[in-house]
Amino acid sequence: KQEVTQIPAALSVPEGENLVLNCSFTDSAIYNLQWFRQDPGKGLTSLLLIQSSQREQTSGRLNASLDKSSGRSTLYIAASQPGDSATYLCAVEDSNYQLIWGAGTKLIIKP
Amino acid sequence: DVKVTQSSRYLVKRTGEKVFLECVQDMDHENMFWYRQDPGLGLRLIYFSYDVKMKEKGDIPEGYSVSREKKERFSLILESASTNQTSMYLCASTQGVPGNTIYFGEGSWLTVV
Repeated sequence: KQEVTQIPAALSVPEGENLVLNCSFTDSAIYNLQWFRQDPGKGLTSLLLIQSSQREQTSGRLNASLDKSSGRSTLYIAASQPGDSATYLCAVEDSNYQLIWGAGTKLIIKP
Repeated sequence: DVKVTQSSRYLVKRTGEKVFLECVQDMDHENMFWYRQDPGLGLRLIYFSYDVKMKEKGDIPEGYSVSREKKERFSLILESASTNQTSMYLCASTQGVPGNTIYFGEGSWLTVV
């Protein structure tokens, strides 16, 4: 059974730092991996989607990588800003077209 | 701009009441989902639907039912609300093929007292 893990559960860094969020999954048979952002009390917003045949995707200051063979993805945030404070979730779409979710990393950027 | 709208943002209901949570999407998506989100447990899938009048159980369907009479609308029903159903409920939709972005509503906070 596919399991998705995000470590750490929470992270606090000073403004301006570059940072990496981690996502790991146990079964490499995935269609894609997605990263989402969730602000407190709100729904989720899709940030990046990486197809299984891709190695990475970029959007502005965000870069997501995917290593299927090792079951790992990272979300790199460059030059972090207080507005980046949120919970970041990853999810993999498995061979049954179902999304399997990590529990998220709560990120706090200190001004 | 794509939109998934959950009609109720905050609800307080009494134990035993019947509760309806409504979700509407304007993107002509085939697939719609209901999740609940609890601290430390992440998102858990309650029910999903791949087409009108079609429904499939997710990981935690007990105590819930759904209705999809029209393509754009997916309703979650709590037949007899209980305190352990106090949670944040999230509706989502996506196109009917794998690998498409999933879009979420703003969420409905339900408190059962």
